Amino acid sequence: EADIYQTPRYLVIGTGKKITLECSQTMGHDKMYWYQQDPGMELHLIHYSYGVNSTEKGDLSSESTVSRIRTEHFPLTLESARPSHTSQYLCASGGEGGGTEAFFGQGTRLTVV
Amino acid sequence: KNQVEQSPQSLIILEGKNCTLQCNYTVSPFSNLRWYKQDTGRGPVSLTIMTFSENTKSNGRYTATLDADTKQSSLHITASQLSDSASYICVVSDRGSTLGRLYFGRGTQLTVWP
Repeated sequence: EADIYQTPRYLVIGTGKKITLECSQTMGHDKMYWYQQDPGMELHLIHYSYGVNSTEKGDLSSESTVSRIRTEHFPLTLESARPSHTSQYLCASGGEGGGTEAFFGQGTRLTVV
Repeated sequence: KNQVEQSPQSLIILEGKNCTLQCNYTVSPFSNLRWYKQDTGRGPVSLTIMTFSENTKSNGRYTATLDADTKQSSLHITASQLSDSASYICVVSDRGSTLGRLYFGRGTQLTVWP
């Protein structure tokens, strides 16, 4: 069982609200990632981090922001949620390359109404 | 362009039958290839990881093969069970950057019927 946790699992929120999706891992991984996944589609990288105080944007343009103040914590924030943000958000850590594992959280299913 | 293509898009089989899922990739330079199982509404869970030198790797009823020359991989599921119903995702990592980027296929949606 991977030690990476996301909260909340499900979130329904109104347009314009500010939300933060939490992601924590206890494996001591430096690399962490946020992916966005629509039903039946592939995962798209929206943010990643090499370590504390390191954050980069991924392939898919996203209006979200992230922070990495502690190794174990990589929260994602939407300042003003819109219906177009409705999706599943998956956090992952590890995957250093050379055959090492990337562990995924359970995901947060976000619905903006 | 680095891509990962999976086939078939969806598959329905009867419980107890075997099946094989395919993955073709163009990711270069290649680092490793992983197969993940993703249950509906959950995060992906790793089944196998293979590096360039590995041709076959098994994990219980799951056997993955890799042909790095033709850039193809397959995932064979033996004696399928109802719990095998899920999306199976092929993920290829490159070694062209310090990140070790992960490239995801769209997955094969497998449904096992009793």
